[in-house]
Amino acid sequence: SYELTQPPSVSVSPGQTASITCSGDKLGDKYACWYQQKPGQSPVLVIYQDSKRPSGIPERFSGSNSGNTATLTISGTQAMDEADYYCQAWDSTSVVFGGGTKLTVL
Amino acid sequence: EVQLVESGGGLVQPGGSLRLSCAASGFTFSSYDMHWVRQATGKGLEWVSAIGTAGDTYYPGSVKGRFTISRENAKNSLYLQMNSLRAGDTAVYYCAKEGFGRAFDIWGQGTMVTVSS
Repeated sequence: SYELTQPPSVSVSPGQTASITCSGDKLGDKYACWYQQKPGQSPVLVIYQDSKRPSGIPERFSGSNSGNTATLTISGTQAMDEADYYCQAWDSTSVVFGGGTKLTVL
Repeated sequence: EVQLVESGGGLVQPGGSLRLSCAASGFTFSSYDMHWVRQATGKGLEWVSAIGTAGDTYYPGSVKGRFTISRENAKNSLYLQMNSLRAGDTAVYYCAKEGFGRAFDIWGQGTMVTVSS
């Protein structure tokens, strides 16, 4: 079955750029999306179709997808961005989530 | 306001059954594919099932044959019938709307299912 691999944790200083990767076989041939989940809350879509931002998502969130890796980039990271982030893609008719990355803003 | 509200969670014994519901509002429910996603405490997201606008259904191997997703467009409602429940099915269950790019753009608040004797 198809798998997506994320680093368990990423740390970033406030104001700096955070990058979270998501790896999967030929992931660049699929669309990747990203969700943010804060403790006790439901997931929120922050990036879809590799690099598009839903309405209401700050411009500091961006995405890319090429080869075997999709990347979520948060520029000028703020304390409020501390959360778990999950990538997601489709494998035929099945939905696959990455294991999640805990972003810590130190 | 676009909203999804789940209900029906609770405590059930191993081998038992439970039916979850998800009430949709603020959008044309019948026009969108819908999903169930679960999350065990402290763990990641796991896709559980999907149903298309035509009623076609999809499941991962972990729940296939035990779970059944359905929808009732006249009531703007999504359901998940869960049978032969196991301890490993213990999780918060979310319903989610599939939107642009086949991403899940709207999520409910979740309902907790606990399978324990």
